[in-house]
Amino acid sequence: AQKVTQAQTEISVVEKEDVTLDCVYETRDTTYYLFWYKQPPSGELVFLIRRNSFDEQNEISGRYSWNFQKSTSSFNFTITASQVVDSAVYFCALSEMFSGGYNKLIFGAGTRLAVHP
Amino acid sequence: KAGVTQTPRYLIKTRGQQVTLSCSPISGHRSVSWYQQTPGQGLQFLFEYFSETQRNKGNFPGRFSGRQFSNSRSEMNVSTLELGDSALYLCASSAAGLSDTQYFGPGTRLTVL
Repeated sequence: AQKVTQAQTEISVVEKEDVTLDCVYETRDTTYYLFWYKQPPSGELVFLIRRNSFDEQNEISGRYSWNFQKSTSSFNFTITASQVVDSAVYFCALSEMFSGGYNKLIFGAGTRLAVHP
Repeated sequence: KAGVTQTPRYLIKTRGQQVTLSCSPISGHRSVSWYQQTPGQGLQFLFEYFSETQRNKGNFPGRFSGRQFSNSRSEMNVSTLELGDSALYLCASSAAGLSDTQYFGPGTRLTVL
């Protein structure tokens, strides 16, 4: 069955520290998409990245980077030189091309990141 | 481009009542999905609509229903409200495809007393 596991419930760091948020997924589909979303206290989910199962290249966007490893079914997210504005809950999500049907996102439980000055 | 809008932002209802929530997608987006977020169950998929048709449905009771209009705006309805329906209801829009990126609105926080 499809599943997304974010084992880290809460992480607390001091500004400028690097932090990695872990995401492990389970799916039987060979074609799927993985996402990361950020949820600040306002509640809105903010899209960060979408990656398909055939593209294992790591991606970097400013202070954000993502490491996708199919061999370990992981899609980890690293924030370099964290800032207070990075404080939020981060969700990893899976969308299966065939088993899940249209646009069904399966979310992990989320990781609450607190960045202290 | 304006983002996804949801109305109302906050709602308080009592058990047994019904409620209707509204979502306007990003201009040009034709798919609208709904999610329920609770502290206990996390984010769960309710249903997805495209061209006024429900294409996908999550595991929720029939009290939860939705519809989509010709302008892609969507509404979801919850009848016979229960205390456990208290949640943040999030709407997301995407272009049209099977696994397009979904962009979320600010949500409607429903409290059932």
